[in-house]
Amino acid sequence: ETGVTQSPTHLIKTRGQQVTLRCSSQSGHNTVSWYQQALGQGPQFIFQYYREEENGRGNFPPRFSGLQFPNYSSELNVNALELDDSALYLCASSLSQGREETQYFGPGTRLLVL
Amino acid sequence: GQNIDQPTEMTATEGAIVQINCTYQTSGFNGLFWYQQHAGEAPTFLSYNVLDGLEEKGRFSSFLSRSKGYSYLLLKELQMKDSASYLCAVRGGAAGNKLTFGGGTRVLVKP
Repeated sequence: ETGVTQSPTHLIKTRGQQVTLRCSSQSGHNTVSWYQQALGQGPQFIFQYYREEENGRGNFPPRFSGLQFPNYSSELNVNALELDDSALYLCASSLSQGREETQYFGPGTRLLVL
Repeated sequence: GQNIDQPTEMTATEGAIVQINCTYQTSGFNGLFWYQQHAGEAPTFLSYNVLDGLEEKGRFSSFLSRSKGYSYLLLKELQMKDSASYLCAVRGGAAGNKLTFGGGTRVLVKP
Protein backbone atom coordinates (compact mmCIF):
# COMPACT_ATOMS: atom_id res chain seq x y z
CA GLU A 1 0.00 0.00 0.00
CA THR A 2 1.43 3.36 -1.08
CA GLY A 3 -1.09 5.58 0.67
CA VAL A 4 -2.09 7.08 -2.68
CA THR A 5 -5.80 6.79 -3.37
CA GLN A 6 -7.79 7.42 -6.53
CA SER A 7 -11.47 7.65 -7.31
CA PRO A 8 -13.46 6.32 -8.93
CA THR A 9 -11.92 2.90 -9.60
CA HIS A 10 -13.90 2.36 -12.80
CA LEU A 11 -15.86 4.67 -15.05
CA ILE A 12 -17.84 4.34 -18.27
CA LYS A 13 -18.52 7.42 -20.39
CA THR A 14 -19.65 8.13 -23.91
CA ARG A 15 -17.82 10.04 -26.61
CA GLY A 16 -18.04 13.81 -26.15
CA GLN A 17 -18.67 13.70 -22.41
CA GLN A 18 -16.41 15.13 -19.73
CA VAL A 19 -14.79 13.31 -16.83
CA THR A 20 -13.06 14.26 -13.56
CA LEU A 21 -10.70 11.85 -11.85
CA ARG A 22 -9.42 12.40 -8.32
CA CYS A 23 -6.23 11.57 -6.48
CA SER A 24 -5.15 11.91 -2.85
CA SER A 25 -1.41 11.94 -2.41
CA GLN A 26 0.58 10.11 0.22
CA SER A 27 0.90 11.98 3.49
CA GLY A 28 3.89 14.34 3.38
CA HIS A 29 4.10 14.40 -0.42
CA ASN A 30 3.78 17.68 -2.31
CA THR A 31 3.93 16.62 -5.96
CA VAL A 32 1.38 14.74 -8.06
CA SER A 33 1.96 13.34 -11.54
CA TRP A 34 -0.68 11.90 -13.84
CA TYR A 35 -0.13 9.14 -16.40
CA GLN A 36 -2.25 7.42 -19.02
CA GLN A 37 -1.64 3.72 -19.59
CA ALA A 38 -3.21 2.00 -22.57
CA LEU A 39 -3.57 -1.77 -22.49
CA GLY A 40 -0.24 -3.54 -22.97
CA GLN A 41 1.82 -0.33 -22.94
CA GLY A 42 3.86 1.62 -20.44
CA PRO A 43 2.39 4.69 -18.71
CA GLN A 44 2.55 7.97 -20.65
CA PHE A 45 3.16 11.21 -18.75
CA ILE A 46 0.27 13.68 -18.90
CA PHE A 47 1.38 16.41 -16.47
CA GLN A 48 2.76 17.09 -13.02
CA TYR A 49 1.64 19.47 -10.29
CA TYR A 50 3.88 20.92 -7.61
CA ARG A 51 2.59 23.37 -5.02
CA GLU A 52 -0.64 23.89 -7.00
CA GLU A 53 1.17 24.84 -10.23
CA GLU A 54 1.66 22.77 -13.37
CA ASN A 55 5.29 21.66 -13.43
CA GLY A 56 5.72 19.99 -16.79
CA ARG A 57 3.38 18.56 -19.37
CA GLY A 58 3.57 15.66 -21.79
CA ASN A 59 2.26 15.41 -25.32
CA PHE A 60 -1.45 15.61 -24.51
CA PRO A 61 -3.99 18.09 -25.96
CA PRO A 62 -5.42 20.99 -23.92
CA ARG A 63 -8.65 19.09 -23.29
CA PHE A 64 -6.60 17.27 -20.62
CA SER A 65 -6.37 19.67 -17.69
CA GLY A 66 -5.65 19.41 -14.01
CA LEU A 67 -5.66 21.01 -10.62
CA GLN A 68 -3.81 20.61 -7.38
CA PHE A 69 -5.34 21.72 -4.11
CA PRO A 70 -3.68 23.17 -0.98
CA ASN A 71 -3.77 19.72 0.65
CA TYR A 72 -1.84 18.43 -2.40
CA SER A 73 -4.69 16.28 -3.68
CA SER A 74 -5.30 16.60 -7.40
CA GLU A 75 -7.85 16.30 -10.17
CA LEU A 76 -7.51 15.31 -13.81
CA ASN A 77 -10.21 16.63 -16.12
CA VAL A 78 -10.75 15.40 -19.65
CA ASN A 79 -13.19 17.20 -21.94
CA ALA A 80 -14.74 16.03 -25.20
CA LEU A 81 -13.88 12.40 -24.55
CA GLU A 82 -12.69 10.29 -27.48
CA LEU A 83 -12.68 6.52 -27.86
CA ASP A 84 -8.85 6.52 -27.62
CA ASP A 85 -9.08 8.03 -24.15
CA SER A 86 -10.06 4.59 -22.87
CA ALA A 87 -7.17 3.64 -20.58
CA LEU A 88 -5.96 3.25 -17.02
CA TYR A 89 -5.26 6.65 -15.49
CA LEU A 90 -2.59 6.57 -12.84
CA CYS A 91 -1.73 9.19 -10.30
CA ALA A 92 1.65 9.16 -8.59
CA SER A 93 2.72 11.22 -5.61
CA SER A 94 6.22 12.17 -4.55
CA LEU A 95 8.14 14.53 -2.34
CA SER A 96 10.26 17.06 -4.20
CA GLN A 97 13.24 17.37 -1.93
CA GLY A 98 16.28 16.04 -3.70
CA ARG A 99 17.59 13.67 -6.28
CA GLU A 100 15.64 10.49 -5.76
CA GLU A 101 12.05 11.73 -5.59
CA THR A 102 10.50 8.30 -6.05
CA GLN A 103 6.97 8.38 -7.43
CA TYR A 104 4.45 6.11 -5.72
CA PHE A 105 1.40 5.12 -7.70
CA GLY A 106 -2.23 4.88 -6.74
CA PRO A 107 -4.43 2.00 -7.87
CA GLY A 108 -5.64 3.88 -10.95
CA THR A 109 -8.97 4.70 -12.53
CA ARG A 110 -10.00 2.53 -15.44
CA LEU A 111 -11.91 4.67 -17.96
CA LEU A 112 -13.92 3.18 -20.78
CA VAL A 113 -15.26 5.52 -23.47
CA LEU A 114 -18.03 4.13 -25.65
CA GLY B 1 13.21 13.24 -27.14
CA GLN B 2 13.20 10.15 -24.99
CA ASN B 3 13.33 6.53 -26.12
CA ILE B 4 13.26 3.55 -23.77
CA ASP B 5 13.59 0.00 -25.09
CA GLN B 6 13.03 -3.25 -23.26
CA PRO B 7 12.03 -6.74 -24.42
CA THR B 8 8.32 -7.41 -24.67
CA GLU B 9 8.21 -10.78 -22.98
CA MET B 10 10.43 -13.28 -21.15
CA THR B 11 9.77 -16.73 -19.73
CA ALA B 12 11.71 -18.38 -16.92
CA THR B 13 11.40 -21.28 -14.52
CA GLU B 14 10.65 -21.06 -10.82
CA GLY B 15 13.90 -20.81 -8.84
CA ALA B 16 15.89 -19.53 -11.81
CA ILE B 17 17.36 -16.10 -12.56
CA VAL B 18 16.09 -13.65 -15.17
CA GLN B 19 17.76 -10.46 -16.41
CA ILE B 20 15.62 -7.75 -18.01
CA ASN B 21 17.58 -5.27 -20.08
CA CYS B 22 16.64 -1.66 -20.71
CA THR B 23 18.37 0.76 -23.07
CA TYR B 24 17.55 4.43 -23.18
CA GLN B 25 18.25 7.56 -25.18
CA THR B 26 17.21 10.71 -23.39
CA SER B 27 17.78 14.45 -23.66
CA GLY B 28 18.43 14.60 -19.92
CA PHE B 29 19.03 12.03 -17.21
CA ASN B 30 18.22 12.27 -13.54
CA GLY B 31 17.81 8.65 -12.51
CA LEU B 32 16.42 5.33 -13.68
CA PHE B 33 13.60 3.46 -11.93
CA TRP B 34 12.24 -0.06 -12.13
CA TYR B 35 8.63 -0.80 -11.28
CA GLN B 36 6.70 -4.07 -11.05
CA GLN B 37 3.12 -4.15 -12.29
CA HIS B 38 0.79 -7.09 -11.83
CA ALA B 39 -2.09 -7.35 -14.28
CA GLY B 40 -4.83 -4.87 -13.47
CA GLU B 41 -2.84 -3.22 -10.69
CA ALA B 42 -0.73 -0.09 -10.25
CA PRO B 43 3.05 -0.09 -10.69
CA THR B 44 4.99 -0.63 -7.47
CA PHE B 45 8.48 0.77 -6.94
CA LEU B 46 11.35 -1.72 -7.03
CA SER B 47 14.61 0.19 -7.43
CA TYR B 48 16.36 3.44 -8.28
CA ASN B 49 19.79 4.03 -9.87
CA VAL B 50 21.38 7.39 -10.55
CA LEU B 51 25.08 6.46 -10.35
CA ASP B 52 26.81 3.69 -12.28
CA GLY B 53 26.87 0.31 -10.63
CA LEU B 54 24.75 -2.31 -8.98
CA GLU B 55 22.06 -1.76 -6.37
CA GLU B 56 20.93 -4.87 -4.52
CA LYS B 57 17.64 -5.31 -2.67
CA GLY B 58 17.04 -8.85 -1.57
CA ARG B 59 16.20 -11.03 -4.58
CA PHE B 60 16.16 -8.00 -6.89
CA SER B 61 19.20 -6.10 -8.19
CA SER B 62 19.44 -3.25 -10.66
CA PHE B 63 22.47 -2.10 -12.64
CA LEU B 64 23.15 1.15 -14.45
CA SER B 65 25.73 2.29 -17.00
CA ARG B 66 25.12 5.92 -17.88
CA SER B 67 27.80 6.01 -20.61
CA LYS B 68 26.10 3.12 -22.39
CA GLY B 69 22.51 4.23 -21.70
CA TYR B 70 21.88 0.79 -20.27
CA SER B 71 20.30 -0.78 -17.23
CA TYR B 72 19.18 -4.23 -16.20
CA LEU B 73 16.95 -5.66 -13.51
CA LEU B 74 18.03 -9.04 -12.16
CA LEU B 75 15.47 -11.25 -10.46
CA LYS B 76 16.91 -14.18 -8.53
CA GLU B 77 15.26 -17.27 -7.04
CA LEU B 78 12.18 -16.64 -9.12
CA GLN B 79 8.82 -17.28 -7.52
CA MET B 80 5.44 -17.71 -9.19
CA LYS B 81 4.32 -14.37 -7.71
CA ASP B 82 7.09 -12.65 -9.73
CA SER B 83 5.01 -13.16 -12.88
CA ALA B 84 4.26 -9.55 -13.79
CA SER B 85 5.27 -6.72 -16.10
CA TYR B 86 8.48 -4.90 -15.25
CA LEU B 87 8.69 -1.27 -16.28
CA CYS B 88 11.91 0.65 -16.85
CA ALA B 89 11.51 4.42 -16.46
CA VAL B 90 13.94 7.29 -16.87
CA ARG B 91 13.56 10.62 -15.10
CA GLY B 92 14.72 13.80 -16.72
CA GLY B 93 14.23 15.80 -19.84
CA ALA B 94 12.43 18.98 -20.72
CA ALA B 95 9.19 18.38 -18.84
CA GLY B 96 10.23 18.69 -15.23
CA ASN B 97 10.74 15.52 -13.28
CA LYS B 98 8.49 13.36 -15.41
CA LEU B 99 9.13 9.65 -15.80
CA THR B 100 9.39 8.27 -19.31
CA PHE B 101 8.48 4.59 -19.33
CA GLY B 102 9.40 1.76 -21.63
CA GLY B 103 6.65 -0.51 -22.86
CA GLY B 104 7.27 -3.01 -20.08
CA THR B 105 8.58 -6.58 -20.09
CA ARG B 106 6.06 -9.26 -19.24
CA VAL B 107 7.78 -12.04 -17.26
CA LEU B 108 6.08 -15.39 -17.03
CA VAL B 109 7.40 -17.74 -14.35
CA LYS B 110 6.66 -21.40 -15.00
CA PRO B 111 6.74 -24.21 -12.43
